[in-house]
Amino acid sequence: EVQLVQSGAEVKKPGESLNISCEGVGQSFSKYWIGWVRQTPGKGLEWMGIIYFGGSATIYSPSFEGQVTISADKSINTAYLQWSSLKASDTAMYYCVRPMTRPGIYSAYSDWGQGTLVTVSS
Amino acid sequence: EIVLTQSPGTLSLSPGESATLSCWASQTVGSSFLAWYQQKPGQAPRLLIFGAFSRATGTPDRFSGSGSGTDFTLTISRLEPEDFAVYYCQQYRDSPRTFGQGTKVELK
Repeated sequence: EVQLVQSGAEVKKPGESLNISCEGVGQSFSKYWIGWVRQTPGKGLEWMGIIYFGGSATIYSPSFEGQVTISADKSINTAYLQWSSLKASDTAMYYCVRPMTRPGIYSAYSDWGQGTLVTVSS
Repeated sequence: EIVLTQSPGTLSLSPGESATLSCWASQTVGSSFLAWYQQKPGQAPRLLIFGAFSRATGTPDRFSGSGSGTDFTLTISRLEPEDFAVYYCQQYRDSPRTFGQGTKVELK
């Protein structure tokens, strides 16, 4: 059984950069589409995008394209979500997700990380 | 994008009662691309139902999903104390994947 272990909470200032991570423990992410989901009190759950661990393809939600970068390091079974210049509106809980079937591009998400709380405030 | 609308926003019920939660899609989702998740305070969402009606591993049989096309339902028969939570539907047919805004099942 896989466990998705995310990096810890972050407090940042507007304009700063940030990289949060999600490591798959217990099972490889190989040939899975691994995704990121944002949760805020105002907008609820929002799908941000996915990355394919069998290659290098990424698919972004139009709402997040150009705002974040999703990347992966297959050698350490880890996905990343990166910002180059944070805004206050990026304050949210971020979850990484793994689909229940492989590759899982058309699959529900059976595995979720514990969440990384990102707070952006001056 | 496919917009999912959940109803009601809040359901106030007592243990032992049944809950009926609705999810409407702005475009057809087909019959295989709709999931339901449960989220409790301080926890990540947990997959309950996939493919509109199939229970995920560990989902008790008091949870059942139904529907196809644009209208979907999650039914919880005989509410247990641990079922009071927020429930979200999600479609995974089209990109971007989208979630409903959630239905809170609260203790009456």
